[in-house]
Amino acid sequence: GDSVTQMEGPVTLSEEAFLTINCTYTATGYPSLFWYVQYPGEGLQLLLKATKADDKGSNKGFEATYRKETTSFHLEKGSVQVSDSAVYFCALGGASGGSYIPTFGRGTSLIVHP
Amino acid sequence: DADVTQTPRNRITKTGKRIMLECSQTKGHDRMYWYRQDPGLGLRLIYYSFDVKDINKGEISDGYSVSRQAQAKFSLSLESAIPNQTALYFCATSDFGSEAFFGQGTRLTVV
Repeated sequence: GDSVTQMEGPVTLSEEAFLTINCTYTATGYPSLFWYVQYPGEGLQLLLKATKADDKGSNKGFEATYRKETTSFHLEKGSVQVSDSAVYFCALGGASGGSYIPTFGRGTSLIVHP
Repeated sequence: DADVTQTPRNRITKTGKRIMLECSQTKGHDRMYWYRQDPGLGLRLIYYSFDVKDINKGEISDGYSVSRQAQAKFSLSLESAIPNQTALYFCATSDFGSEAFFGQGTRLTVV
């Protein structure tokens, strides 16, 4: 079945540091890929998405590129802020059997220090 | 108003009790989901529904049941709660292949 693997956390950075959170996926077909963010005490909300190979999703300074050849969708940000501290989930709109059920990685906690 | 509303937000219940978590959405989507979040385990799918008459088990459905009362409403029940069902529960909705919209979550504690 479909699955998502993302790097374990927590990731601890100083403000203005460069961020990379790795994400790889396994899926049949051609799923859409997503990054969600969860702030403390809240539900998940969409951060960015890409719907086909080589698409780049971007939002709030975050970027991720859909790499079909390496089945990856790594999240990057050039300069993190304290307010970016949250849990980040990589996800795919699963394509197995055409069902497109959202499938999530285990989440990566990001802690940004001033 | 929120796109997806879950009630209650917090609940403490005793072992063996029946409890229902409710979810309603205003997105107009046919697809609804219940997930459970545990530290280090991410989100695991409990049940999902593609429309009012189509309900399916997810990867961890044992001990849970659901009811899809309408396109907008999808409730999750724990027939006889046990302590290892203590977790954060999320309801979500999506269109086919598109992003999921989540509720704020229900923090359930079984003592």
